[in-house]
Amino acid sequence: GESVGLHLPTLSVQEGDNSIINCAYSNSASDYFIWYKQESGKGPQFIIDIRSNMDKRQGQRVTVLLNKTVKHLSLQIAATQPGDSAVYFCAETPTDSWGKLQFGAGTQVVVTP
Amino acid sequence: SAVISQKPSRDICQRGTSLTIQCQVDSQVTMMFWYRQQPGQSLTLIATANQGSEATYESGFVIDKFPISRPNLTFSTLTVSNMSPEDSSIYLCSVEDFTSGGLWDETQYFGPGTRLLVL
Repeated sequence: GESVGLHLPTLSVQEGDNSIINCAYSNSASDYFIWYKQESGKGPQFIIDIRSNMDKRQGQRVTVLLNKTVKHLSLQIAATQPGDSAVYFCAETPTDSWGKLQFGAGTQVVVTP
Repeated sequence: SAVISQKPSRDICQRGTSLTIQCQVDSQVTMMFWYRQQPGQSLTLIATANQGSEATYESGFVIDKFPISRPNLTFSTLTVSNMSPEDSSIYLCSVEDFTSGGLWDETQYFGPGTRLLVL
């Protein structure tokens, strides 16, 4: 079946550096994408989202890029901080699917001092 | 944005027993969702729960194992029945919340989860 997956299971980043988390998706019908952050012992927290008619969207210290040609999604975190240590999930859905999100495998980001 | 709470936050249960997990939202929402997150893994949708109708289950999940109630627009329960160690997971509810700044009215926001260990 079609799926969403991540390239790297673990990403180690030095504090202050920029982080890039990648995600590949295969459902060409997906037109909405979300990044979630899950800290240990907590539920996933919404970070940022993007629609398929956009290439880029910026938030506070985060940027999401969407490349529909190669079905690739990335999350960039600027000036990574210790509080950014978490598992990051991408999720995708066709917006006519009544909210059925499909999640990628997750990337563990570890911020080192 | 909506505040979502779950009870219990964690539990340890014996195999063969059942556990009912509650999800409470501080505002009325149309759609609520239940997910399972097995240890070290991603989230898998169990079912969608709409008020006034039967829950819609995803492939691999059945009502006899995971009965769901949705008595009103702010509350839902998920029961994990006849538990086995394979049911040890985090169970998460989510709701759509169009007030929280997402680009889509049905963007989902998650509760803190219920951590279940079955012995």
